[in-house]
Amino acid sequence: KQEVTQIPAALSVPEGENLVLNCSFTDSAIYNLQWFRQDPGKGLTSLLLIQSSQREQTSGRLNASLDKSSGRSTLYIAASQPGDSATYLCAPKESNYQLIWGAGTKLIIKP
Amino acid sequence: EAGVVQSPRYKIIEKKQPVAFWCNPISGHNTLYWYLQNLGQGPELLIRYENEEAVDDSQLPKDRFSAERLKGVDSTLKIQPAELGDSAVYLCASSQSQWNEQFFGPGTRLTVL
Repeated sequence: KQEVTQIPAALSVPEGENLVLNCSFTDSAIYNLQWFRQDPGKGLTSLLLIQSSQREQTSGRLNASLDKSSGRSTLYIAASQPGDSATYLCAPKESNYQLIWGAGTKLIIKP
Repeated sequence: EAGVVQSPRYKIIEKKQPVAFWCNPISGHNTLYWYLQNLGQGPELLIRYENEEAVDDSQLPKDRFSAERLKGVDSTLKIQPAELGDSAVYLCASSQSQWNEQFFGPGTRLTVL
């Protein structure tokens, strides 16, 4: 059974820093992997989707990498801003089309 | 382009009452999902539709939960009767197909008293 772990569970950094959020999964037979952000009391916003054949995907200040063989993905946020404060979740998609969710990393960017 | 629309945003009911949630997916998205999310946890899939067919409802508690997507567009999720433990956020998501990126609606926060 696929298990997804996100480390750290919480992170607080000053504005302007570059940071890395980690996601690991136990079963490398995934189809793709999505990163989402969730603001308090809100729904989930899709940030990036990486196909299993890809190594990286970029959108603005965000860069996600995928190492399927080692069961790891990272989300890199450059020049962090207070508006980046949210919970970030990773979700690999299995061959049965289901997303398997991590518990998330709660990120706080201090002005 | 409009995103996934859900209503109501909030619902408070007493236990044993029925409740229904509505979802309108992104235009052209064939796949629709209903999830349940408890505080501090990731979403849990309840049911997945491909057009009007429920292709994965293995995690839907069928004794009290039901869903429909009659014309392959809008969908309704119903709980009857509601229990205290059903208090959660109910999320709807859609994608072009089961292989593609999922987009989520804002959710319905249900409180059962």
